[in-house]
Amino acid sequence: EAGVAQSPRYKIIEKRQSVAFWCNPISGHATLYWYQQILGQGPKLLIQFQNNGVVDDSQLPKDRFSAERLKGVDSTLKIQPAKLEDSAVYLCASSPPWATDEQYFGPGTRLTVT
Amino acid sequence: EDQVTQSPEALRLQEGESSSLNCSYTVSGLRGLFWYRQDPGKGPEFLFTLYSAGEEKEKERLKATLTKKESFLHITAPKPEDSATYLCALKDTGRRALTFGSGTRLQVQP
Repeated sequence: EAGVAQSPRYKIIEKRQSVAFWCNPISGHATLYWYQQILGQGPKLLIQFQNNGVVDDSQLPKDRFSAERLKGVDSTLKIQPAKLEDSAVYLCASSPPWATDEQYFGPGTRLTVT
Repeated sequence: EDQVTQSPEALRLQEGESSSLNCSYTVSGLRGLFWYRQDPGKGPEFLFTLYSAGEEKEKERLKATLTKKESFLHITAPKPEDSATYLCALKDTGRRALTFGSGTRLQVQP
């Protein structure tokens, strides 16, 4: 079974530029999460989707971050414009409908904002 | 507000030297307590879920236990390949997402 796929793996941008990350969850997993992990910290939830609907985006900085999951499968997270403090690893995770407590993580995208 | 605190921040062990990692938490209603392993450059890998005080789960050299205020991850006779960051997370009954601690960086030297 293929795992959660994310791209790109690394991205370096200047502040005020925009960037987008892509995630393809495990086949059949209805729930998809985006987390931000700053160096030395645990992951922090940004947004959670159930199929193509948003379940929780309370910690998403909506003035600069946006995310979509139009067809209920893959998802895109965008930052526009980026700030220095957005430097982090962005992790995507998914859960199957038969085991919603289990989250399977992708390898992450490491973003550096200069 | 849910809170997860892990200690120590870092731990260095000799191969075969058993120890425990601590995860203390505050939550209004606990749905589950989770342990993950994270290797450098990779996403967290699921290890255990504990649902109620007194519950224990084991996998190879790892055993996780849960009380009403904290969880322990016991590592018995660790090997260098056990070196990783171990993350504790909880899910409360009112929310589906996980709240993570900052992790314990474990290094096992041969």
